[in-house]
Amino acid sequence: SQELEQSPQSLIVQEGKNLTINCTSSKTLYGLYWYKQKYGEGLIFLMMLQKGGEEKSHEKITAKLDEKKQQSSLHITASQPSHAGIYLCGADLNAGGTSYGKLTFGQGTILTVHP
Amino acid sequence: NAGVTQTPKFQVLKTGQSMTLQCAQDMNHNSMYWYRQDPGMGLRLIYYSASEGTTDKGEVPNGYNVSRLNKREFSLRLESAAPSQTSVYFCASKGQGGITGELFFGEGSRLTVL
Repeated sequence: SQELEQSPQSLIVQEGKNLTINCTSSKTLYGLYWYKQKYGEGLIFLMMLQKGGEEKSHEKITAKLDEKKQQSSLHITASQPSHAGIYLCGADLNAGGTSYGKLTFGQGTILTVHP
Repeated sequence: NAGVTQTPKFQVLKTGQSMTLQCAQDMNHNSMYWYRQDPGMGLRLIYYSASEGTTDKGEVPNGYNVSRLNKREFSLRLESAAPSQTSVYFCASKGQGGITGELFFGEGSRLTVL
């Protein structure tokens, strides 16, 4: 079983709709990283969360880490076709952030945005 | 600025053949990684190199070998390819400073083993 579970696995929305992607772990998340991947391309770093209750935003994308540091959500407001792609959460599951970049990834969420 | 460059982008092999995936980064990063991506599995770490001259196994190292040729280059070798190694392979690098988990990825190498 996956150490990091993402839901939903795929999502189809109409342009302009809001959406949320979740990333859940059975272990404490010492660092949680959201990446975006376009088909046929590599992953692009979006943002990092470390502290319980932390929330960060970049343009229309907001990510939160819950107080217990075991779940993160990625929320997109007023989605656009440019938001389409695969969103992956990556986590540092080692205390003190000692994974040295060896992240554990969720299985990814495929987002389709229809114009 | 090229970032992380992988070659080849596509490769088809027959079972038992060998091949090497090449990766080079021009960001002067110390750490480099090889991940594989499979449907429904996310990315899984194959090998990583914390610095020039060192390599270590990741989650799924069986069937692979790596070489950290110098600070720029980190290659992944399949000695005897198997259909289970059909996957998309990503090379990534990370600098000393900056955000701990911010990895810079190449565009991927799609490998099919028949």
